[in-house]
Amino acid sequence: SQTIHQWPATLVQPVGSPLSLECTVEGTSNPNLYWYRQAAGRGLQLLFYSVGIGQISSEVPQNLSASRPQDRQFILSSKKLLLSDSGFYLCATGTGNARRQETQYFGPGTRLLVL
Amino acid sequence: GDSVTQMEGPVTLSEEAFLTINCTYTATGYPSLFWYVQYPGEGLQLLLKATKADDKGSNKGFEATYRKETTSFHLEKGSVQVSDSAVYFCALSHSGDDKIIFGKGTRLHILP
Repeated sequence: SQTIHQWPATLVQPVGSPLSLECTVEGTSNPNLYWYRQAAGRGLQLLFYSVGIGQISSEVPQNLSASRPQDRQFILSSKKLLLSDSGFYLCATGTGNARRQETQYFGPGTRLLVL
Repeated sequence: GDSVTQMEGPVTLSEEAFLTINCTYTATGYPSLFWYVQYPGEGLQLLLKATKADDKGSNKGFEATYRKETTSFHLEKGSVQVSDSAVYFCALSHSGDDKIIFGKGTRLHILP
């Protein structure tokens, strides 16, 4: 079964500081990977998804970026954090096949507070 | 585009009460439908799913039926427990596409 690791679990950062959140996946190869953000009152928002190494698609324009340097590693970054970047960040994998049973598996999440 | 609409929360119920959390969707074709649950301090977990019209997903006493005619996937449980307190997300995705569209979530509080 798949296991998704995220770190750090909690992060408090000042406005304008850089950000790097890491996600690694075990138990699968060539997964589709996703970054979601959950902000208070706004539900879940898909930020980025990746179908392979070096392939990143952005769903929402913002000051965040994502990279996938290895097959099972997905990194979320920012050069300068904004207050509005506060939220709960979830990494997820998808089944990555053409069948109907699309199920996503989520990591434990990183709680980010920008002050 | 596709979207999911859930009832606004928070929903507060007494233990052993009957639960319904409404979910309706707008989508082309025949998406798969999901309910995810997020317990306090944890990430998301898949609760149940249905992949075609009239399918019923069930897990941990929760049920939801895929209603194509009303484009709905309401979550129900006959007798809730305090441990069911969590945020519940309705979601959809299309065959061959892993991207999932979530509703905004409904926070559920169960009082002892």
